[in-house]
Amino acid sequence: AQTVTQSQPEMSVQEAETVTLSCTYDTSENNYYLFWYKQPPSRQMILVIRQEAYKQQNATENRFSVNFQKAAKSFSLKISDSQLGDTAMYFCAFHSQQAGTALIFGKGTTLSVSS
Amino acid sequence: EPEVTQTPSHQVTQMGQEVILRCVPISNHLYFYWYRQILGQKVEFLVSFYNNEISEKSEIFDDQFSVERPDGSNFTLKIRSTKLEDSAMYFCASSESGPGNTIYFGEGSWLTVV
Repeated sequence: AQTVTQSQPEMSVQEAETVTLSCTYDTSENNYYLFWYKQPPSRQMILVIRQEAYKQQNATENRFSVNFQKAAKSFSLKISDSQLGDTAMYFCAFHSQQAGTALIFGKGTTLSVSS
Repeated sequence: EPEVTQTPSHQVTQMGQEVILRCVPISNHLYFYWYRQILGQKVEFLVSFYNNEISEKSEIFDDQFSVERPDGSNFTLKIRSTKLEDSAMYFCASSESGPGNTIYFGEGSWLTVV
């Protein structure tokens, strides 16, 4: 069974600085998809970024980028120029192409951005 | 931008009562999901639904739970005989096609069982 591990329960960063959130996963599959979701205090789940495993190029979305290391099964999220509105819980998620349609989440990292 | 909508946003119910949580997925999406998040814990998959039937369900989704798509737009989660431990945020989600396509979440329905 696939698992997703986020080893940093909490992180903090100053406004305008860069922070990296870690995520590792375990799977025996070759084709899959990885996601980062943001959950602000409102508790809505908001998609931040998506990565297809067959693509070597790291996904980027404005200030958000990932470092996808397929061999190491690592999928970290980098937030550049952090803003107060980035304060949220961040979840890494795995989506298999073969095992079904369940999205498997990590336990999350709480990010606090301060001024 | 199209979005998944959920009602109610918050419901308080007595233990043993039945609850129905409602969702309107994004209109051209084909896969529908329910996830649950107990306060302070991670998001857990409950069930996925495609072509008017359950395509996958987790161990959590036992006989107490059921899902239905009663018409062309709504997708409901029914929880029978609620227990205290059913208190959680319930998220509805949808995706345009199957595995790998982006799953969009609603704002959640916060269920409190007392």
